[in-house]
Amino acid sequence: SQTIHQWPATLVQPVGSPLSLECTVEGTSNPNLYWYRQAAGRGLQLLFYSVGIGQISSEVPQNLSASRPQDRQFILSSKKLLLSDSGFYLCAWSEGGMVWGGAEQYFGPGTRLTVT
Amino acid sequence: AQTVTQSQPEMSVQEAETVTLSCTYDTSESDYYLFWYKQPPSRQMILVIRQEAYKQQNATENRFSVNFQKAAKSFSLKISDSQLGDAAMYFCAYRSFRDDKIIFGKGTRLHILP
Repeated sequence: SQTIHQWPATLVQPVGSPLSLECTVEGTSNPNLYWYRQAAGRGLQLLFYSVGIGQISSEVPQNLSASRPQDRQFILSSKKLLLSDSGFYLCAWSEGGMVWGGAEQYFGPGTRLTVT
Repeated sequence: AQTVTQSQPEMSVQEAETVTLSCTYDTSESDYYLFWYKQPPSRQMILVIRQEAYKQQNATENRFSVNFQKAAKSFSLKISDSQLGDAAMYFCAYRSFRDDKIIFGKGTRLHILP
């Protein structure tokens, strides 16, 4: 069966510091991968998604970036964090290739980021 | 552009009663999926139910069922015999057959009253 991991679970970082959040998926190959951010009590904002190694689509212009160095690894980064980067970050995956084979997304447990 | 609207920010229901969460969407596509996701206090997003637009039969998963009205672009979630563990934020979501992205509504927070 497939599993998705995210780490760290919680993170407290000062303004201006770098960020690296990691997401890995097991039990599948060539998945689509997604990064979302969720402010407290709010909906999900899609930040980035990837349909293959090295292929990144950005949905929201900001000081965050994403990379996919391996097939089942997705990394969210920032060189300098802002206060507004605080939130709950969720990684998700779906089956790659034909949409009708795997429409839904499956989510990781999330990372709670607090920028101080 | 496709949109998903959940008009009820919060709802409450008595334990063991039935509750219906509303969702409407806007699309010009004919082939798509609709979903309901649950986010409990742990904040883990859990897929509750999925509906393919080409299927006329409403999807059902145990106590969860949907009322899918394609012409009206309506997709409501009915929870029967509500339990305390059903307390969560519920998100309605849409995905076109032609897109890799899912569009989420803003969510409905469901409270279960003991």
